[in-house]
Amino acid sequence: EAGVAQSPRYKIIEKRQSVAFWCNPISGHATLYWYQQILGQGPKLLIQFQNNGVVDDSQLPKDRFSAERLKGVDSTLKIQPAKLEDSAVYLCASGDSSGNTIYFGEGSWLTVV
Amino acid sequence: AQSVTQPDIHITVSEGASLELRCNYSYGATPYLFWYVQSPGQGLQLLLKYFSGDTLVQGIKGFEAEFKRSQSSFNLRKPSVHWSDAAEYFCAVGSPGSARQLTFGSGTQLTVLP
Repeated sequence: EAGVAQSPRYKIIEKRQSVAFWCNPISGHATLYWYQQILGQGPKLLIQFQNNGVVDDSQLPKDRFSAERLKGVDSTLKIQPAKLEDSAVYLCASGDSSGNTIYFGEGSWLTVV
Repeated sequence: AQSVTQPDIHITVSEGASLELRCNYSYGATPYLFWYVQSPGQGLQLLLKYFSGDTLVQGIKGFEAEFKRSQSSFNLRKPSVHWSDAAEYFCAVGSPGSARQLTFGSGTQLTVLP
């Protein structure tokens, strides 16, 4: 079974530039999550989708971050404009219908200089 | 609101020694508890989880964890550590329901000495 796919794996951008990350969840998984993991910290939830609807985006900085999940499958997370403090790993995860197991991708590493 | 505390930022053990990583949670109802491991440059891999039933749960790679409701703890253990266990370990508490959300602790970095 294929896992959660993310791209790009690594990205370096200058502050005020924009960046987009893509995630393809495990086939059939209705729930998709984006987490932000700053170095030395645990992952923090940014946004959660159930199919193509948003369940929770309360911790998403909506002035610069946006996310969408078209057709309830893959998802894109965008940051515009980026700030230095956005340097982090962006982890995508997906969960099956039971919610009992959540699988994580390998992450997209962002450095803002 | 749910929260997780991992009191130990960094632990060093010798290969072959036993290991215990501490995790304390705060949650109003029956918690759904998880341990994940993250190797350098990798995503999170699920080691084990507890939802109900037997309070001692077995996971992959020889790990186990014990749920103690009275202490609000879910400590991770391994009898004999291997060099390949060096990684960062995260405890998490999950919300109920199928659209489960995970709240993570800040992690414990494990170093294994030869």
